[in-house]
Amino acid sequence: DAGVIQSPRHEVTEMGQEVTLRCKPISGHNSLFWYRQTMMRGLELLIYFNNNVPIDDSGMPEDRFSAKMPNASFSTLKIQPSEPRDSAVYFCASSTRGLGGETQYFGPGTRLLVL
Amino acid sequence: AQSVTQLDSQVPVFEEAPVELRCNYSSSVSVYLFWYVQYPNQGLQLLLKYLSGSTLVKGINGFEAEFNKSQTSFHLRKPSVHISDTAEYFCAQVRRSASKIIFGSGTRLSIRP
Repeated sequence: DAGVIQSPRHEVTEMGQEVTLRCKPISGHNSLFWYRQTMMRGLELLIYFNNNVPIDDSGMPEDRFSAKMPNASFSTLKIQPSEPRDSAVYFCASSTRGLGGETQYFGPGTRLLVL
Repeated sequence: AQSVTQLDSQVPVFEEAPVELRCNYSSSVSVYLFWYVQYPNQGLQLLLKYLSGSTLVKGINGFEAEFNKSQTSFHLRKPSVHISDTAEYFCAQVRRSASKIIFGSGTRLSIRP
């Protein structure tokens, strides 16, 4: 299996621009997670989906952030407008069934720099 | 609120020496506990997890961890480390029947030859 695929791997953009991060989970996994990793705040869960439905988006920092999962094999995380404090590594992960005791499989991450 | 405390931000050890990475969790209810490893410029990978049953959990790459409910700890150990173990290690907890996973701040393990 190819594992979790994220694109792009690196993104440099200017403040105010829209940024879209993409994720393809492992085939057959029903849950998908978006994380943000920064030096200051560590690893934070932003949102997660079960069967394409958002279950908990309480980690989404503000309305500039939105996430969608139109089908079982694709999800996007969008930031509009982007700000320098959004600079971070964004990870997507998937699991067979939600949180609880399930193992999450992480993608390689998207390193975002907002100038 | 839930929290996971990793007591050491950095742990330097010599190759082939034993290592212990400390983790304390905060939940008063039953939890699932995890250790993940992150190699440079990569995503996280599961080392091991505690769901229930035996308090000693064995994982990949020779790592093991012991669940201690009375001390609310889940320390990670390896009897003999290798250069390839150089990475950042994250402890995480999920409360049963909860929708949150909380990660610790990470411990950077550096191996000296």
